[in-house]
Amino acid sequence: EAGVAQSPRYKIIEKRQSVAFWCNPISGHATLYWYQQILGQGPKLLIQFQNNGVVDDSQLPKDRFSAERLKGVDSTLKIQPAKLEDSAVYLCASSLRWIYNSPLHFGNGTRLTVT
Amino acid sequence: GIQVEQSPPDLILQEGANSTLRCNFSDSVNNLQWFHQNPWGQLINLFYIPSGTKQNGRLSATTVATERYSLLYISSSQTTDSGVYFCAVEGPGGANNLFFGTGTRLTVIP
Repeated sequence: EAGVAQSPRYKIIEKRQSVAFWCNPISGHATLYWYQQILGQGPKLLIQFQNNGVVDDSQLPKDRFSAERLKGVDSTLKIQPAKLEDSAVYLCASSLRWIYNSPLHFGNGTRLTVT
Repeated sequence: GIQVEQSPPDLILQEGANSTLRCNFSDSVNNLQWFHQNPWGQLINLFYIPSGTKQNGRLSATTVATERYSLLYISSSQTTDSGVYFCAVEGPGGANNLFFGTGTRLTVIP
């Protein structure tokens, strides 16, 4: 089966600019996650969708980050305006279900550098 | 929030050696998963193991939920085992949202 697809692979922007990332989960996976991984740290959950509804966005900095999953498949994550501390790898993951025994499958990530 | 601590932070092994990685967590969990992040950044799910023991080839994992720790064993290590190993547990909200530890960076040298 095809894995989780993400684009772009790399992005360099200046602070205060905006940026968007795209994710296409594994076909049939109802649950989609966006994680932020800062260099040297473990991934941190930003937002979780179940179909097109938000399950958990408690760690999403809502003043500058937004995410949507309009048709319950693809998702976009946006940052506006970007700050230097947003430099990180943004990982998208999907799972078949949102219950606890459903393994997460990760994409290759988008590496964002904010200068 | 739930705390996840991993040890050791770094580990260097000679090819063929065995190793044990540890994950301690601060609260009871329904969900614990081990991941391997290869040098290219790809995260691969190794085990879903909230309790008990599982084995997959040269890898095995044991979780003692009552004592709030999990162990990942790597036997006969190979250079391709290099990377960062993460333990992740489900947050208090449930729903499969995982909190990751800071990882163990493993380097296997030929």
